[in-house]
Amino acid sequence: DTEVTQTPKHLVMGMTNKKSLKCEQHMGHRAMYWYKQKAKKPPELMFVYSYEKLSINESVPSRFSPECPNSSLLNLHLHALQPEDSALYLCASSQDHGTGEAFFGQGTRLTVV
Amino acid sequence: GENVEQHPSTLSVQEGDSAVIKCTYSDSASNYFPWYKQELGKRPQLIIDIRSNVGEKKDQRIAVTLNKTAKHFSLHITETQPEDSAVYFCALGNQGGKLIFGQGTELSVKP
Repeated sequence: DTEVTQTPKHLVMGMTNKKSLKCEQHMGHRAMYWYKQKAKKPPELMFVYSYEKLSINESVPSRFSPECPNSSLLNLHLHALQPEDSALYLCASSQDHGTGEAFFGQGTRLTVV
Repeated sequence: GENVEQHPSTLSVQEGDSAVIKCTYSDSASNYFPWYKQELGKRPQLIIDIRSNVGEKKDQRIAVTLNKTAKHFSLHITETQPEDSAVYFCALGNQGGKLIFGQGTELSVKP
């Protein structure tokens, strides 16, 4: 199983809503990542978890809150987002953080209205 | 800090020709250099990678070369086919845990 599964695939939320994005992998990978990707741009690193602990936060606004409940799951909690936060949110995992093949999920297409 | 520049931003070739995309970086601590292909509406997928102790790696029509002294690495695609059309991203990784992407190259292979 080389799949990284993200849910939901699409999400529309208002600026006062609270929602969560979910990511799951069963490859035994110890590093998990959240990226944000705008149209025609590269994936932009947001957070890195290594062995279930947050190791990197790329100065992401606090309206994005990551959580790693266990080694297979990664969540991204969203609250009070802005329209400019609309993007594709990609989750990835790798065996070694930063130095191994990263497998990406299909992403969640988020629209903030 | 980590920074990677990728060129060109767009590349158009005729089917059967070769395509070359180049990335330069500044962080000496980078030791992992993957290339990802992203088709429209799909996830990025690894096509080839190289580590800092290797200068060149080849997988069928795809090769990657690394010059650590000059801090650049390149993707070479030979005998291009229409299905190679996509956006290609180089990336940098290091022991610190970051995997940073270049700006991307939109490759168009014309039949």
